[in-house]
Amino acid sequence: DAGVIQSPRHEVTEMGQEVTLRCKPISGHDYLFWYRQTMMRGLELLIYFNNNVPIDDSGMPEDRFSAKMPNASFSTLKIQPSEPRDSAVYFCASIRWGLGNTGELFFGEGSRLTVL
Amino acid sequence: DQQVKQNSPSLSVQEGRISILNCDYTNSMFDYFLWYKKYPAEGPTFLISISSIKDKNEDGRFTVFLNKSAKHLSLHIVPSQPGDSAVYFCAANSNSGYALNFGKGTSLLVTP
Repeated sequence: DAGVIQSPRHEVTEMGQEVTLRCKPISGHDYLFWYRQTMMRGLELLIYFNNNVPIDDSGMPEDRFSAKMPNASFSTLKIQPSEPRDSAVYFCASIRWGLGNTGELFFGEGSRLTVL
Repeated sequence: DQQVKQNSPSLSVQEGRISILNCDYTNSMFDYFLWYKKYPAEGPTFLISISSIKDKNEDGRFTVFLNKSAKHLSLHIVPSQPGDSAVYFCAANSNSGYALNFGKGTSLLVTP
């Protein structure tokens, strides 16, 4: 089975531009998470969805960030306008929660964003 | 506020020796703990976990120890191999939560 698929793998953009990161979770998984990795803060949770519905977006840094999950197989994280401090690796992860499941998330390979 | 803390950003160990990676947590509601391993340009992958009802879990060369009273856990790798060189993230979850709380990671370098 294919893992979590993220695109693009690398994105270089200029300050002020819109950035859209994409994620396809593992089929059948009902939870999807967006994490951001930086040297200063490590892996921090931005937002997560359950059955396509946003459950907790308290980690979204500010209004410039938005995330959607229009269906069970696709999610986007959008930054508009982007700023240099948004430069990081953004990870998408998914899981199918159920009896006996204790939270081992499956991560994609990440999208490395550089904002100049 | 960081609820899971990995205070050592890096660790260097010789091949064949033991690697010990440490993790502290502040939230007493956490009841499940995981270690993830991350290679450059890849996503984190699950390594080993432990429930709060246990104090030790072993899987091959990897053992995780949990000290609930001290809110501390550690990952032991014996013997260490060069292929173990990676960033190791400690993570925690509570029974009522669905998202993992991660530490900042510890970069392990195993030298030949």
